Order: sequence, then C-alpha cells, then structure tokens
Amino acid sequence: DIQMTQSPSSMSASLGDRVTITCQASQDIGNNLIWFQQKPGKSPRPMIYYATNLANGVPSRFSGSRSGSDYSLTISSLESEDMADYHCLQYKQYPLTFGSGTKLEIK
Amino acid sequence: VQLVESGGGLVQPGKSLKLSCSASGFTFSSYGMHWIRQAPGKGLDWVAYISSSSGTVYADAVKGRFTISRDNAKNTLYLQLNSLKSEDTAIYYCAGTSFDYWGQGVMVTVSS
Repeated sequence: DIQMTQSPSSMSASLGDRVTITCQASQDIGNNLIWFQQKPGKSPRPMIYYATNLANGVPSRFSGSRSGSDYSLTISSLESEDMADYHCLQYKQYPLTFGSGTKLEIK
Repeated sequence: VQLVESGGGLVQPGKSLKLSCSASGFTFSSYGMHWIRQAPGKGLDWVAYISSSSGTVYADAVKGRFTISRDNAKNTLYLQLNSLKSEDTAIYYCAGTSFDYWGQGVMVTVSS
C-alpha cells in the first residue's frame, strides 16, 4: 500500500501568513493527488486536483505543488476562513490512502 | 448534485447495518462511487469503491465484512456492514468518483 506521510499534524499561524502543508508519498503516485479542506462538522471539500490544479471556486491564495515525492498545499496569505483540517489523498493505486491530516488554527 | 446518506445508528459488536446513499442531479449509473469513513477526531479513511459497471475494490480493514453495491434504478449506493467491530465506529461518507461531491455523512456507532 502507498503511505502518505502528512506534516505537520497541527499548526498555528497568523492572518496574512504564508502556510505550507506537505504530504510525502512512499511510492510514485505521479500527480494523482487531491487536497481537501474540512471544516468542523462538514464534509471534505476538494481544493486542489491532480496535485496542482485549483478546484472550481477555490480562492487563488491556495496552490498546490510537487517536488519529487513531496506534495505541498500552500496558502499564500492566511485568512480566518481558512481555519480547518486539511487532508491529502493519493488515487494512483488502490487501496486509496489519505494523509493523517493537518489541523490549521489561527493565532 | 446531491448525495444523502442514511441508515446509520448504534449497533452491537458482531451485528450488521446497511447504509444508503441517495444520489440526484447527475446520471448516477454512469459514475463510480466511493465510501469513506472518519473515526471521531481522526483522519479520513477510504473504505470501498464501485465502478459504473459494478466492479468493486475494498480496503483491507473491511474486506470480507463490508459489501458495496448499487441500484441504478433507484439512484442509490449501498454499504452493507457485517461483523461490526468497535473500530468501525465512524462517520461514513459517500462520494463521487472524482471526490468532487460528498454526502453529509452518517454516523455508525458500534458499542455494546
């Protein structure tokens, strides 16, 4: 199975900060990765498809990138509405696997 | 597009439960569907997938105990949960094949 190692597990940042969350894949997944945002009591919302493509309606301050087996979700300037949990998912190979999640809090 | 799960509840260990996911707003029969779960306070965990032609794939943790199925005439996805364990306690979500649409989730609690 492909392991997705997500870091950090939690973080606190100030409004306007640049924030980066990372997932590392244990095997080659190409760009077959989705980033989700999940707010308390809500279903996950896809933010980034195919590692770098912004989903419809997602603010442009969100971006995705890849460097080898490391995948990053970056928020260029943190806003209060970005407080949420973030998850990565690889869909290269079954069983599909999620990262362990990142809880993003606002200082 | 709307996905609405139902059928959750409190069930004893070893018992069974059947979840439903009613789909609308798209041609259900043309798309594969996933079940994903989330234990309380934990991350997301992919459970199973069924293709438009009813081919199925399962996570190892549920293989042999859970069965995913679909009824295209009723635009409904199912998950039959058998031999339930306490570690199956979670919110269960159905989602579209590209994870673009998710239901609101349904809680399954396995406890004596």
